[in-house]
Amino acid sequence: AQSVTQLDSQVPVFEEAPVELRCNYSSSVSVYLFWYVQYPNQGLQLLLKYLSGSTLVKGINGFEAEFNKSQTSFHLMKPSVHISDTAEYFCAVSRSGGYNKLIFGAGTRLAVHP
Amino acid sequence: EAGVTQFPSHSVIEKGQTVTLRCDPISGHDNLYWYRRVMGKEIKFLLHFVKESKQDESGMPNNRFLAERTGGTYSTLKVQPAELEDSGVYFCASSQDRSSQQFFGPGTRLTVL
Repeated sequence: AQSVTQLDSQVPVFEEAPVELRCNYSSSVSVYLFWYVQYPNQGLQLLLKYLSGSTLVKGINGFEAEFNKSQTSFHLMKPSVHISDTAEYFCAVSRSGGYNKLIFGAGTRLAVHP
Repeated sequence: EAGVTQFPSHSVIEKGQTVTLRCDPISGHDNLYWYRRVMGKEIKFLLHFVKESKQDESGMPNNRFLAERTGGTYSTLKVQPAELEDSGVYFCASSQDRSSQQFFGPGTRLTVL
């Protein structure tokens, strides 16, 4: 079985500051890793994913994440946030290979202040 | 191309009533998933269809929940009778095949009073 822990339920940050949203996972099998974002009144949108290869993954809207197998982490980062990045962010895993039922963390609310 | 759509966007019902949620996947997507987020907790998997067949319903909480996907197109999730703890946001997602990206709908917010 897999599980995901998002270490911060809320992260306040000022505009143009850097941000890191933390995610740790647990799994006895190889996994794929994902970050999704939910803007107010919208569905979940895929920000980025790690399937294999380079451990630094670049996504949309200037976000990137680094897969660290030894620490079982997949932290999301952005060097300079904008007001429009205010949203809820979800880390998720699925078993690698054919079946991709997603296991989500509890979410992190990012609040960007002017 | 239209995305995943869900209807209704909000539903408020009383305990003991029945509610049916609908999901229309992206055209051509054989895989359809239902997820639920209760009380600001993690989003949890409910079940997975491939075309009209249930591949995995391990996340369905109990027999008050019934999911169908007639003809392998849209899907419905019926809750009968609804209980207070069923309140939450129900998400639907679809993907082209079992290993490709899932696209999510906007969700249905269900409130049981």
